[in-house]
Amino acid sequence: GAVVSQHPSWVICKSGTSVKIECRSLDFQATTMFWYRQFPKQSLMLMATSNEGSKATYEQGVEKDKFLINHASLTLSTLTVTSAHPEDSSFYICSAGLAAPVRYFGAGTRLSVL
Amino acid sequence: DAKTTQPPSMDCAEGRAANLPCNHSTISGNEYVYWYRQIHSQGPQYIIHGLKNNETNEMASLIITEDRKSSTLILPHATLRDTAVYYCIVRAGGTSYGKLTFGQGTILTVHP
Repeated sequence: GAVVSQHPSWVICKSGTSVKIECRSLDFQATTMFWYRQFPKQSLMLMATSNEGSKATYEQGVEKDKFLINHASLTLSTLTVTSAHPEDSSFYICSAGLAAPVRYFGAGTRLSVL
Repeated sequence: DAKTTQPPSMDCAEGRAANLPCNHSTISGNEYVYWYRQIHSQGPQYIIHGLKNNETNEMASLIITEDRKSSTLILPHATLRDTAVYYCIVRAGGTSYGKLTFGQGTILTVHP
């Protein structure tokens, strides 16, 4: 079946540095990918919709200058957390879908900012 | 998209059927019911979806009431590996590239 690969699975960084998370669709092309954030014991919160070849659409309250999204190809979307701070520590999950109701999700990236 | 209501938690004995309810009283005619689950520290996994009729696949069965205001996800023989958060999501089926919005879900704990 369709697989979404997310890398890295876990990253620790110092406060003030930037971190890039990759999301790849392995055996299908995804014109649209979604980025979620999940804090402990909470549900997934949609951050932005990533569109291949165009600007991402951010949900209300999500800082687009802090969470940079690039979707340069049909199989790769990246999320860069710029100038990360401890409050950005979270579980980040990407998702992609075919022209069907099913969504496929990456395994997630756990970000810890010290 | 229609709002859904799920119990915050449920328990089930291993080998027994797990029946997870979901209320979606404001569902509209073109909206489907989707179920996903999230095992701890993993990304969500698609389980099943339906519009009006009951559906069954290798993972689960979905029972939708005739008025479509509620549904039940059935795991026929729950195992310890089925312990997860189960999310019921209602959204229009035609917007296949649209976003999925997750509620709080039901924490299902399967115990020996």
